[in-house]
Amino acid sequence: QKEVEQNSGPLSVPEGAIASLNCTYSDRGSQSFFWYRQYSGKSPELIMSIYSNGDKEDGRFTAQLNKASQYVSLLIRDSQPSDSATYLCAPRGLNEKLTFGTGTRLTIIP
Amino acid sequence: DVKVTQSSRYLVKRTGEKVFLECVQDMDHENMFWYRQDPGLGLRLIYFSYDVKMKEKGDIPEGYSVSREKKERFSLILESASTNQTSMYLCASSTIRGQLSNQPQHFGDGTRLSIL
Repeated sequence: QKEVEQNSGPLSVPEGAIASLNCTYSDRGSQSFFWYRQYSGKSPELIMSIYSNGDKEDGRFTAQLNKASQYVSLLIRDSQPSDSATYLCAPRGLNEKLTFGTGTRLTIIP
Repeated sequence: DVKVTQSSRYLVKRTGEKVFLECVQDMDHENMFWYRQDPGLGLRLIYFSYDVKMKEKGDIPEGYSVSREKKERFSLILESASTNQTSMYLCASSTIRGQLSNQPQHFGDGTRLSIL
């Protein structure tokens, strides 16, 4: 079993719709969780972080965390073509290290 | 904003050469990391460092070494480059200060290394 599992996609979503990205993790000691966006050929850039169970909203992005289920998700509302990228889920354990999933490739269809 | 600078965007070296990849951050971060990223394998941690002179092996340290003589600089060394080390190399840094949710890793632009 992988430490961090994400659906590799591609996930295709019409422009203006909600994109839902999911991630499960195996390390119950994970303290905080990060979502990174990576455009092709570029480095990952942080878009959301979440620490407590529940929802955290930032603009069009909402991160959801359920530690009991070891599940974290990212919702993107009003999807735009510029949201087309690979999204990486990264839980952090007690030792400052992040464990990255292989990412979900998202395509927004105009 | 945090700035993590990697010395080269593209690098071509020959098999057997000793290769140095340099990374500098300007935010006085304690932690620094080196990853490689390959299609279908995601980001894999090579080495990391919590402080000057300190280093810890990541998941795939074989064939690599690191140096951290100053807090802002973390170097990755390929002792004798091989073709299977052709990859995208990413440096990142993070701090231990503040709240946990505000301590992400910040990445440099990456170095695409080709070993011929």
